[in-house]
Amino acid sequence: DTEVTQTPKHLVMGMTNKKSLKCEQHMGHRAMYWYKQKAKKPPELMFVYSYEKLSINESVPSRFSPECPNSSLLNLHLHALQPEDSALYLCASSQDQGGGNPYEQYFGPGTRLTVT
Amino acid sequence: GENVEQHPSTLSVQEGDSAVIKCTYSDSASNYFPWYKQELGKRPQLIIDIRSNVGEKKDQRIAVTLNKTAKHFSLHITETQPEDSAVYFCAAPTGAGSYQLTFGKGTKLSVIP
Repeated sequence: DTEVTQTPKHLVMGMTNKKSLKCEQHMGHRAMYWYKQKAKKPPELMFVYSYEKLSINESVPSRFSPECPNSSLLNLHLHALQPEDSALYLCASSQDQGGGNPYEQYFGPGTRLTVT
Repeated sequence: GENVEQHPSTLSVQEGDSAVIKCTYSDSASNYFPWYKQELGKRPQLIIDIRSNVGEKKDQRIAVTLNKTAKHFSLHITETQPEDSAVYFCAAPTGAGSYQLTFGKGTKLSVIP
């Protein structure tokens, strides 16, 4: 299985809502990532988990809260978002350095988020 | 940290012609250079990559070349087809000790039938 899956595909939420994005991979990868992508821009790294521990947080506002329940799952909890947070949220995974090329990242299909 | 510059930002070619996209990087220690293709509304998909110990890698109609001295690498697509139309991103490792990739700003390739 060489796929990263994400749910939901689309999400519309108000600024007072709480929602969660989910990501799953069964490739045995031990590094997982959250990216934010605006239209016509490259993916922008938000968080990196390595062996289920948060290793990089790119100064992301606290209204975004990541969680890695186990090595196959990654969640992104959303609370009190702003309209400017509307974007495509991509999850990716890669092998850890000990098992292969940690830079060879595979992306999920993304969640298209609209904040109203 | 790494700085990746990608050119051109848009590229239009006739079907059957070749397309070339170039990227430069700043960190001479970088040793892995992937290319991603992103069709409209889809995920970025890894299409080819190259490590710094080789100068060229081919996979059917796509190839990547690397010039370590000049710190640039290029994506070559031959015999372009309409389904090659997409945004292409190059990337390089952000720096030692992290798994981050620094992406170029992307090239929108349009293949005209």
